[in-house]
Amino acid sequence: QKEVEQDPGPLSVPEGAIVSLNCTYSNSAFQYFMWYRQYSRKGPELLMYTYSSGNKEDGRFTAQVDKSSKYISLFIRDSQPSDSATYLCAMSEGSNDYKLSFGAGTTVTVRA
Amino acid sequence: ETGVTQTPRHLVMGMTNKKSLKCEQHLGHNAMYWYKQSAKKPLELMFVYSLEERVENNSVPSRFSPECPNSSHLFLHLHTLQPEDSALYLCASSQDTGWYEQYFGPGTRLTVT
Repeated sequence: QKEVEQDPGPLSVPEGAIVSLNCTYSNSAFQYFMWYRQYSRKGPELLMYTYSSGNKEDGRFTAQVDKSSKYISLFIRDSQPSDSATYLCAMSEGSNDYKLSFGAGTTVTVRA
Repeated sequence: ETGVTQTPRHLVMGMTNKKSLKCEQHLGHNAMYWYKQSAKKPLELMFVYSLEERVENNSVPSRFSPECPNSSHLFLHLHTLQPEDSALYLCASSQDTGWYEQYFGPGTRLTVT
C-alpha cells in the first residue's frame, strides 16, 4: 500500500466550475499537509499549507484535512484556465521534518 | 536570476556516458535537495544537504553521485545510467532542513538511451 494515494486523473472541467482534489494516506503520524501546484515544464510550487485537521481558505482555494479519515482535499472555486496544472499533495510528520511524502499528482485542465 | 535554477533543462545520454546536472539557488537557503520525478509516480527524495553536509542518502544507486561545494550550488554527477533512470530530476532548497516549504527548480528532463 502506498503511503499517500492520489488519483492521477486527468480531470477536465469547464471554466467557472469547482475543482475537487483529494488524497488519502496511511501514516497516522502525519500532521502537516501541503498542496503543491506544478505547471507544465516547471517545478512544483507550494500552494497551501495546513497543520492538523480543519479548513484553510486562501482566495479561491480551500484546503481541508480530516485526520480521523486520513483524507485531505483541495477545492478550487471559480476555476480559470490558468489553474490548469498538476496538483501534488504532500505531507510530513513534524514541522522539523524535511521528508515530505508526496502523492503522484492529479492533472487538471480547465476548459475556456 | 531568481529562485532556483537548473541546467541543463534537457539531457540525452547513453548508458556509458558521464554527465552532471547543476542546480543553483539564489534564495540564501541552507538546505538543498535532489528529487526524481517519474510519470505517474510520487516524487522520490534522493539526497539532502544542509550547509554543504549530506544528511540524507535515500538508498540511491552509486551511479548517482551528489556534490555540494557551497550552500548555493548542488550537482548530481551521473555515470553508467540505466534506461529506467530516465525521469525529471528536480532540485529544491529550503531555509533549512527544519522548514517545510521547499522551493523547486524547473528540473532537468533526462533521457537515457
